[in-house]
Amino acid sequence: KNEVEQSPQNLTAQEGEFITINCSYSVGISALHWLQQHPGGGIVSLFMLSSGKKKHGRLIATINIQEKHSSLHITASHPRDSAVYICAVSRLGGADGLTFGKGTHLIIQP
Amino acid sequence: EAGVTQSPTHLIKTRGQQVTLRCSPISGHTSVYWYQQALGLGLQFLLWYDEGEERNRGNFPPRFSGRQFPNYSSELNVNALELEDSALYLCASSFLAGGIDYTDTQYFGPGTRLTVL
Repeated sequence: KNEVEQSPQNLTAQEGEFITINCSYSVGISALHWLQQHPGGGIVSLFMLSSGKKKHGRLIATINIQEKHSSLHITASHPRDSAVYICAVSRLGGADGLTFGKGTHLIIQP
Repeated sequence: EAGVTQSPTHLIKTRGQQVTLRCSPISGHTSVYWYQQALGLGLQFLLWYDEGEERNRGNFPPRFSGRQFPNYSSELNVNALELEDSALYLCASSFLAGGIDYTDTQYFGPGTRLTVL
């Protein structure tokens, strides 16, 4: 079993819909990261969080440490949001390399 | 401010050859991470350098190695290339404001796409 699990693997939605991507992890962590990868490979860090909730524009990330679960929400989705969204964790103990989920491939249709 | 840069962008090699990939972190960042993204396998952690020292490595054979220079730029070397080394190699940098015991946001470069024939 992977240490970081994401769902769904693939998601197609219509423009304007509210999107939720889920991430569960099974190891102790110091932080959870949400990343966005566009075709061509470039990765952008969207959020790093260790508790509670963060918001940036139309993106919201939440984490429940007790349940080892995080969600990424996109409000008023737009075709430019189409990308792969990757959940990753920093394990307890330091600023080590990240452990990644397999990603959620999101397509927003106009 | 310039982001993380990597060179080359694309590379084609044959089995058994050696390759060197380069990464320049964001100015002021002392930590450099290397990741491999092979088709169907997802992103995997390769190596972590901080202040010139290798701090940790992922589950990769010793033919994957690297170093970090005094200016914090880094090289990833892969010897005796195998077909399964074909992947996108990503470098990320971070400024560890709290020291190496505390994680921080990682900023990724555009990657080097390596094809092994």
